[in-house]
Amino acid sequence: GQQLNQSPQSMFIQEGEDVSMNCTSSSIFNTWLWYKQDPGEGPVLLIALYKAGELTSNGRLTAQFGITRKDSFLNISASIPSDVGIYFCAATTSGTYKYIFGTGTRLKVLA
Amino acid sequence: NAGVTQTPKFRVLKTGQSMTLLCAQDMNHEYMYWYRQDPGMGLRLIHYSVGEGTTAKGEVPDGYNVSRLKKQNFLLGLESAAPSQTSVYFCASMGLIGEKLFFGSGTQLSVL
Repeated sequence: GQQLNQSPQSMFIQEGEDVSMNCTSSSIFNTWLWYKQDPGEGPVLLIALYKAGELTSNGRLTAQFGITRKDSFLNISASIPSDVGIYFCAATTSGTYKYIFGTGTRLKVLA
Repeated sequence: NAGVTQTPKFRVLKTGQSMTLLCAQDMNHEYMYWYRQDPGMGLRLIHYSVGEGTTAKGEVPDGYNVSRLKKQNFLLGLESAAPSQTSVYFCASMGLIGEKLFFGSGTQLSVL
């Protein structure tokens, strides 16, 4: 099925560093969602974006809805060990009730 | 503050057995979904429902059936389990089109 291009696929970072990841597509979307999934658990919604250019924060996490509506970005500031997990994006277009999903970014934090 | 609840959490089946996974949401959401998640494949939509009494096929519906007799519940059935159905299954729900999509904690199913 259709997927969003998410990068990087995985990353190792030092505790305290900032992290950036993004999702891109050739299609235009109306809503972007960002999730975190821990091993053996379901995806947990972190941030929802509804408007092009929108910048939304949730604690140390900040996400942006790309101005072209074809991409979105997630930043994590001052990473801590519990940030370890898989982050993925999801997006949908107007009038449809199905989301498509990114391939995920696996984050590993070195203490 | 339950959100989306899936039962069971784990299940092991033998090839040919049948079973039903239950999803319940307490948010009065119209839209409900069943996905499977496999390594390297991401989330794939099995079936979905746009309201009580409705169901529709997603990307990978073969071998599965669903029912939505009550608005809060969405059941996923495996008629005759096959090893290819070994996967992690997630239920999700959404209130309005384009709004937040909430997931359950998943069911790990192994078919031997």
